[in-house]
Amino acid sequence: DTAVSQTPKYLVTQMGNDKSIKCEQNLGHDTMYWYKQDSKKFLKIMFSYNNKELIINETVPNRFSPKSPDKAHLNLHINSLELGDSAVYFCASSLEPVYNEQFFGPGTRLTVL
Amino acid sequence: GDSVTQMEGPVTLSEEAFLTINCTYTATGYPSLFWYVQYPGEGLQLLLKATKADDKGSNKGFEATYRKETTSFHLEKGSVQVSDSAVYFCALSEGNQGGKLIFGQGTELSVKP
Repeated sequence: DTAVSQTPKYLVTQMGNDKSIKCEQNLGHDTMYWYKQDSKKFLKIMFSYNNKELIINETVPNRFSPKSPDKAHLNLHINSLELGDSAVYFCASSLEPVYNEQFFGPGTRLTVL
Repeated sequence: GDSVTQMEGPVTLSEEAFLTINCTYTATGYPSLFWYVQYPGEGLQLLLKATKADDKGSNKGFEATYRKETTSFHLEKGSVQVSDSAVYFCALSEGNQGGKLIFGQGTELSVKP
């Protein structure tokens, strides 16, 4: 019973390609997030959706476009991949956007060659 | 803006040693404070949290007390085990920021038998 799942777990691709990462949560939560973890393990929020509406967009390049088809899914599409996009991307969800515990997925390790 | 600062790692301890990982924060309001743990190759899991000053969060033998006067939330455990080896992240969340977590840089803990 995976609470927050992500696919794929690993993604290796060439510069300039377009790729997507999918996230699904079965917790019935209203809020979902994307975080980026760099090579030094520093974590930074990218986006947050509440009830399918974007509520946080942290100055991320517009090559990154999140899409939430429903409350249980938040996908991340990346255009024109660059070397600096190599990182681990974590999806998370919480019951509400305020003060609640966030449940994290296992991460997607993206490597851009 | 808000920020979290943790002691630098890696921290290497022998089994049954006492653990302290320091965490201080800067916030404009009254944040909730969290400790998350990341085991190798996995996503983050909530370890403990505190939502107001003088609250003590505790779980699995770990404790941290929300100290508003020193803006600190230090993580402690009386006797660490090899299985505690992981990266520990201190984080805060403010109510007016859409629930985003602001993380410290993470502290890697390695416990030797």
